[in-house]
Amino acid sequence: GQQLNQSPQSMFIQEGEDVSMNCTSSSIFNTWLWYKQDPGEGPVLLIALYKAGELTSNGRLTAQFGITRKDSFLNISASIPSDVGIYFCGGSNYKLTFGKGTLLTVNP
Amino acid sequence: DARVTQTPRHKVTEMGQEVTMRCQPILGHNTVFWYRQTMMQGLELLAYFRNRAPLDDSGMPKDRFSAEMPDATLATLKIQPSEPRDSAVYFCASGLSAGRNSPLHFGNGTRLTVT
Repeated sequence: GQQLNQSPQSMFIQEGEDVSMNCTSSSIFNTWLWYKQDPGEGPVLLIALYKAGELTSNGRLTAQFGITRKDSFLNISASIPSDVGIYFCGGSNYKLTFGKGTLLTVNP
Repeated sequence: DARVTQTPRHKVTEMGQEVTMRCQPILGHNTVFWYRQTMMQGLELLAYFRNRAPLDDSGMPKDRFSAEMPDATLATLKIQPSEPRDSAVYFCASGLSAGRNSPLHFGNGTRLTVT
């Protein structure tokens, strides 16, 4: 089946630093999505990307849909403590497949 | 805000018992997905419905798992008999299939513990 390789697995950063994480796949996707999950809750959508090359921002978050349609990245600028959580990438054609997640820890 | 509602939030049961998890998708959404989340495997897709019809349940162990949508406002995931390895958080997500892939909206999950 389709598999997504998400990296890094975890990150420990200081408040104020920028963060970058990415996802690659051996398969082409029509849609890339980025979600954040807080403890005890379901994943919440951050950004949706529908077109190869598309660059989309949501506040301090920026994500891009790779030109090859096999990768995507998410950047968080000027991190704050509430950015802590697990970030998942998802690739979709008709069903959504997730990466294993990036655990982000922000030290105040 | 419209939300996907899952019940129960927590379920502890003994091996061999039947477990039923319920999901109310967001009103108007016509796709429903069931995912299982574990530390080892992450988020695994179990089943997928569009317009109440099952389109893909290849991720689901067929001998003990079953998923249904009795109506547009209710999706169920049943495990019978349950086993300790079924312990996980089960998420339901809904979306709108309308020409392009609509993002999925997740419920807060059912945390299942099978002893």
